[in-house]
Amino acid sequence: KNEVEQSPQNLTAQEGEFITINCSYSVGISALHWLQQHPGGGIVSLFMLSSGKKKHGRLIATINIQEKHSSLHITASHPRDSAVYICAVRSPGETSGSRLTFGEGTQLTVNP
Amino acid sequence: ETGVTQSPTHLIKTRGQQVTLRCSSQSGHNTVSWYQQALGQGPQFIFQYYREEENGRGNFPPRFSGLQFPNYSSELNVNALELDDSALYLCASSSPGSEQYFGPGTRLTVT
Repeated sequence: KNEVEQSPQNLTAQEGEFITINCSYSVGISALHWLQQHPGGGIVSLFMLSSGKKKHGRLIATINIQEKHSSLHITASHPRDSAVYICAVRSPGETSGSRLTFGEGTQLTVNP
Repeated sequence: ETGVTQSPTHLIKTRGQQVTLRCSSQSGHNTVSWYQQALGQGPQFIFQYYREEENGRGNFPPRFSGLQFPNYSSELNVNALELDDSALYLCASSSPGSEQYFGPGTRLTVT
């Protein structure tokens, strides 16, 4: 069993729909990251969370430390949101910038 | 402030050959982490360099090695290439207190 599990693996939505991607982890963490990867490979960091909730534009990330679960929400989805969304965790005791353990990613396709 | 850059963008090598991939860290960052991402999977941690010293290593054999230079740029070297080494290789730079910033990756194909 992977230390970081994401669901769903693939998600297809219509433009305008509200989207939720889930991440569960089985280890203690000091922080959780949500990342976006477009075709071609480049990765962009969306959020880094250690508690609560963060919002940036149409994106919202939440984390429940007790339940070892995080969600990434996209409101009013748009075709340009189509990408792979990856959850990654950093272990306690690791300094900022230290190794991340990644989920396998969720492929999101938003159709016009 | 320049971002993280990697070179080359694409590379094709033959099994048994050696390859060197390069990463220039973002200005002000002293830590570089390398990851291997096989097709359809999440990245896997290879190793990390902090101030020119290896600072943690994932489950990769010794034929994967690295260097970090005084300007904090880094190289990943892979000897005796195998077909399974075909992947996207990502580097990320950071400094204490900052998030990791990823480069665009180098796509390596081993034939």
